[in-house]
Amino acid sequence: DVVMTQSPLSLPVTLGQPASISCRSSQSLLHSDGNTYLDWLLQRPGQSPRRLIYKVSNRDSGVPDRFSGSGSGTDFTLKISRVEAEDVGVYYCLQGTHWPPYTFGQGTKLEIK
Amino acid sequence: QVQLVESGGGVVQPGRSLRLSCVASGFSFTTYGMHWVRQAPGKGLEWVAVISWDGTNKNYADSVKGRFTVSRDNSKNTLYLQMNSLSAEDTAFYYCTRIDYWGRGTLVTVSS
Repeated sequence: DVVMTQSPLSLPVTLGQPASISCRSSQSLLHSDGNTYLDWLLQRPGQSPRRLIYKVSNRDSGVPDRFSGSGSGTDFTLKISRVEAEDVGVYYCLQGTHWPPYTFGQGTKLEIK
Repeated sequence: QVQLVESGGGVVQPGRSLRLSCVASGFSFTTYGMHWVRQAPGKGLEWVAVISWDGTNKNYADSVKGRFTVSRDNSKNTLYLQMNSLSAEDTAFYYCTRIDYWGRGTLVTVSS
């Protein structure tokens, strides 16, 4: 199974400042079809998860452009250019290249300092 | 708009069974593979199962293989998860998801 490792696990950020979350996979997520199936999701407190980014760098509809995803192979990053209060929650990376099983990272809890 | 509404959760004794349902609306259900993902209280997300658009292909996490069965009724736009031989480790919120859209979840508590 592909192991997804996120860092940091806790991320205190000042409002208006940037934030960055790393996700590393135990093997390359480049699929034989040329796509890399790495998503980022946010779970706000008391809510269901919501996908923000799919295939490394594509923002879902309605996701603010302060969110960006990048990376390739085994190394991926989610960046928030300027953190807002509504960005608080737990961020997960998810791989869908080598399945079953689909695998999530452990989650990174973003909080406001 | 896309909606996924789970039901069927509750408190069940160890060793017993439970069936979850998820009614989908707002999109062409028959063209999407669908997943179940669970989250134990205070823990992270764990993928449970996936079923292809036509129900012919199913895959499971090792932790539930042989005990859980995913199915769908495309005539009713409904996804199911039959859970047998439940144990305390199965206690979690269970989410029906297309990955880009998620339901609100239904809580399953396994306790004597």
